[in-house]
Amino acid sequence: AQTVTQSQPEMSVQEAETVTLSCTYDTSESDYYLFWYKQPPSRQMILVIRQEAYKQQNATENRFSVNFQKAAKSFSLKISDSQLGDAAMYFCAYRSKAAGNKLTFGGGTRVLVKP
Amino acid sequence: DTAVSQTPKYLVTQMGNDKSIKCEQNLGHDTMYWYKQDSKKFLKIMFSYNNKELIINETVPNRFSPKSPDKAHLNLHINSLELGDSAVYFCASSPPGHKVHEQYFGPGTRLTVT
Repeated sequence: AQTVTQSQPEMSVQEAETVTLSCTYDTSESDYYLFWYKQPPSRQMILVIRQEAYKQQNATENRFSVNFQKAAKSFSLKISDSQLGDAAMYFCAYRSKAAGNKLTFGGGTRVLVKP
Repeated sequence: DTAVSQTPKYLVTQMGNDKSIKCEQNLGHDTMYWYKQDSKKFLKIMFSYNNKELIINETVPNRFSPKSPDKAHLNLHINSLELGDSAVYFCASSPPGHKVHEQYFGPGTRLTVT
């Protein structure tokens, strides 16, 4: 079974600075998807960015980018120019192409943004 | 608005009661899911339905029974509620075809069992 690990329970960043969130996963599959979801205090789950495992190019979405290291099974999220609205829980998630579309989530990282 | 909606958003009930949470999506998706987020924020899949057919059941106690009357609805019924059932329950849906990996989440239902 796949597992997803987020080793940082909480990260703090100064407004306008950059923060990187770590995520590692364990799988024997070669083709899958990885995601980062944001959960603000409203508790709505918001998709931030996605990466397909067979694509070597790292995904980028405005101020959010990932560093996907397939061999190392690592998928970190970088938030650049952090804004107060970025404060939230961030979840890394894995989706197998073979396992019925379910998402397997990491334990989450709380991001605090200091003004 | 097009979205995944859940009712109710908050539910407080006593141990032993039976309750239901409803989920509806008007996105035209054919796969729907239930996830549970516990007090430590850990999110885990419970069920998945595709075109009203159960495709994932993650060893959830049989007190939990999902029901999908049609593709747009996936309701969750819980019998004999226990304290440990207190959590936030999220419904999600995903489209068919090449975008099946995208999941859209509802706002969540916070269930408190006293």
